[in-house]
Amino acid sequence: TQLLEQSPQFLSIQEGENLTVYCNSSSVFSSLQWYRQEPGEGPVLLVTVVTGGEVKKLKRLTFQFGDARKDSSLHITAAQPGDTGLYLCAGASNNNDMRFGAGTRLTVKP
Amino acid sequence: DSGVTQTPKHLITATGQRVTLRCSPRSGDLSVYWYQQSLDQGLQFLIQYYNGEERAKGNILERFSAQQFPDLHSELNLSSLELGDSALYFCASSVLGWGPYNEQFFGPGTRLTVL
Repeated sequence: TQLLEQSPQFLSIQEGENLTVYCNSSSVFSSLQWYRQEPGEGPVLLVTVVTGGEVKKLKRLTFQFGDARKDSSLHITAAQPGDTGLYLCAGASNNNDMRFGAGTRLTVKP
Repeated sequence: DSGVTQTPKHLITATGQRVTLRCSPRSGDLSVYWYQQSLDQGLQFLIQYYNGEERAKGNILERFSAQQFPDLHSELNLSSLELGDSALYFCASSVLGWGPYNEQFFGPGTRLTVL
């Protein structure tokens, strides 16, 4: 059972399209992180959000932490083939232990 | 390159056997984490060590054990292996191991295949 539910599980889009993936939970997190994992490699941290309602931008990626700190979204503008990968969210509980969702597997076709 | 090293990269063994996976954290990192990643289960947290002591335990089976040595490298021991243990095993390290900005750096993983 995943504490964090990510949706969609799979997403295949054309280059140039926009997309949003979601990370939801019934639990409140002290912080939430997004990682990207490419085939054959370990996950790499993209961003950490801490404050409810916080929005962070990383080039074409926009991350938002829900007001209640139970959910988060990742929006990608004008997706490129290099964005292909597994996007994982990880939430820190009150004891600050991080737990990962199952991920959204994104494929961007040229 | 995250600075975290894992050996071996690939491991093929038979059911009932025992294997040891090794991890060297980034220089200066005190925490080591072990994760199991399979297609249908995502990234499952197994166990965390901080400066040689167990700090947190996740969904780690009794057949599995781990330790962190004085030089901070860690080993994950998997025994009485079953077909379902086939997966990617990742090690990660971080400076402390807690806190909202705790960033985990992942190694390249060990792919275990149990035949």
